[in-house]
Amino acid sequence: NAGVTQTPKFRILKIGQSMTLQCTQDMNHNYMYWYRQDPGMGLKLIYYSVGAGITDKGEVPNGYNVSRSTTEDFPLRLELAAPSQTSVYFCASSSGSTSNYGYTFGSGTRLTVV
Amino acid sequence: DAKTTQPTSMDCAEGRAANLPCNHSTISGNEYVYWYRQIHSQGPQYIIHGLKNNETNEMASLIITEDRKSSTLILPHATLRDTAVYYCIVRGANFGNEKLTFGTGTRLTIIP
Repeated sequence: NAGVTQTPKFRILKIGQSMTLQCTQDMNHNYMYWYRQDPGMGLKLIYYSVGAGITDKGEVPNGYNVSRSTTEDFPLRLELAAPSQTSVYFCASSSGSTSNYGYTFGSGTRLTVV
Repeated sequence: DAKTTQPTSMDCAEGRAANLPCNHSTISGNEYVYWYRQIHSQGPQYIIHGLKNNETNEMASLIITEDRKSSTLILPHATLRDTAVYYCIVRGANFGNEKLTFGTGTRLTIIP
């Protein structure tokens, strides 16, 4: 199994540009999450989804949008990139059960806004 | 979710047991303790989790105090590859508590 796959791995954006960070999982997990991690800091939740068609805001949702049209995919959209969005973005998924192994994370997308 | 408190950093000699403490004094009865680690800039990796009883798997052991207000992650024979940031997270089991809230964790350095 591939687990959680994120693309691209690296990206440089100019201020005001838009982009979509892709995330797909092949574990049939209902729950998916987007986190960002600034240098030297812990992960902060941007958005999450408990199933196809259902999304909700996390701790730092401003400047981002998400959609969940399928169980497998959970893209994160940046509409007007700002330098404050320079960060490493991690996508994760889980089955939601506390009897299993928790979250599976992707390898991250390193985004720089200049 | 209950808040957790961890030391900012720790060192451990290679081959020795690494004991990482975590305080979660406001934990409630249905909240689990999870441990993750993040090696360099990779995505966090699940290590272990537990509710009340001590747990062991191929990676580590988790010791939870009887009052559940603190826990210790034990890496029995630390290697250089265990150098990472370790996160202790408390998470509820009920619907609506699917989110993990990460703090800043403990930076563990394994010394050769």
